[in-house]
Order: sequence, then C-alpha cells, then structure tokens
Amino acid sequence: QVQLVQSGAEVKKPGASVRVSCKASGYSFSTSGVVWVRQAPGQGLEWVGWISTYNGETDYAQDFQGRVTMTMDTSTTTVYMEVRSLRSDDTAVYYCARRDHDSSGFPDYFFDHWGQGTLVTVSS
Amino acid sequence: QPALTQPASVSGSPGQSITISCTGTSNDVGTFNLLSWYQQHPGKAPKLIIYDVNKRPSGLSNRFSGSKSGTTASLTISGLQAEDEADYYCCSYSRSGTSTWVFGGGTKLTVL
Repeated sequence: QVQLVQSGAEVKKPGASVRVSCKASGYSFSTSGVVWVRQAPGQGLEWVGWISTYNGETDYAQDFQGRVTMTMDTSTTTVYMEVRSLRSDDTAVYYCARRDHDSSGFPDYFFDHWGQGTLVTVSS
Repeated sequence: QPALTQPASVSGSPGQSITISCTGTSNDVGTFNLLSWYQQHPGKAPKLIIYDVNKRPSGLSNRFSGSKSGTTASLTISGLQAEDEADYYCCSYSRSGTSTWVFGGGTKLTVL
C-alpha cells in the first residue's frame, strides 16, 4: 500500500536550518510528485511547494522562495525539504503528500496520500 | 490570510445534512475544476475526501459530495455521523502567481 513516512520531530533555534525527509513506498516513485504542506499550531493548511519525482522539477510558494529547497533521492525513494533561516513563525507540522497522475499520465491536482507529519519547533 | 474563504464552524445533528462553502476568485475556484476537499481529525494528517470538485476517492462513503457554482465550491455531508466531526479544508489550483495551490482556512464541523 502507498505509504509516506516522515522523519521525527525537530527543535531548532532561530536562524538555523532544518531538513525533513519523506520516504515513499508502495507505488511508482518516479512517475509522481510530492508536495509539502505545513500547519502552524491551531491554524490551517498552507502549501509550501512541490517536487516532481520524475525529473526533480520544483515549484515553491512565493512566501518560501529563497528559503526552501526540495530534493529527492531516487535510490531510496525519499524526498527532502530543507528550510533555512528559520523563524519562530516557521513552527509548524510539516506534511508531505503524494501528487499522483491519472490513467492517461496527466498529473493529478490533488493529494491522495499523506505522511504522518513532522513537528518543527523554532525556539531560542 | 487564507486565499479561499470558508465558514469557521458548522454544526448538525446525527442523520442531518450540512454544507460547507469555499469561496475563491477567478484566479482559482472560478476558473479551474481542480478543487479538492480534505478531512482532518485532531492530531491526524489530512485525508482526501473529494477531488476535481465532485469526485470521490475509491472506497469513500457516498455521504460526501461536492459541487461548484461560479467562484464558490461546496462540500455536503449527508446522514451525519459522530465520526464526521473534524476540520474540513478546501484546496484549489491557482494562477495567482504567489502559490500554485491555495487552501481555505478550514471549517470545524461539530456533530451535536
């Protein structure tokens, strides 16, 4: 079955960087994509960005441009998200989710399987 | 400020039907039928319940349905059950230029 398993919780100081991993299994990793969505405590969902696990193409929300980098390792079917220059308002649960494609090979525009989430706490 | 507008809360009694609205603009909901809904229970990851406005993932109860008119999409849950109590988020593809996907602020559904 499709599974996305994320790395464990992190505590970082302001100005530091964090890298969260998302290991995919149970489907064809190289023909889909992975999005990252975050949720601050008590708040709603916010789209961070997307990486194509087909060719490594990325697309980041404007608010994260220059501070976020998404990469992948096809040998381990793992996607990574690095956030730099962390601020206290980056404290959130970060989720990865699969963006698959339809039977004709066109990309889907929804996220059908989600990781369990990774809490990143930024505090001095 | 979320790009899509949802009511903060709705409530209903078991067996009743409720509808949650999601209002966007011509940059997202009004132009694209690429609107999805997610259910999130406390402390859990979101779960896809509706995609492409009105399609249900395989195996999902037909008590959940979606629709759209103009710049407003709607999620209807019929035959409310206690386990439906959760937060619900809409999400749309967007051409705003600032974010390819935009979410609503979420709606807390309380089953009385």
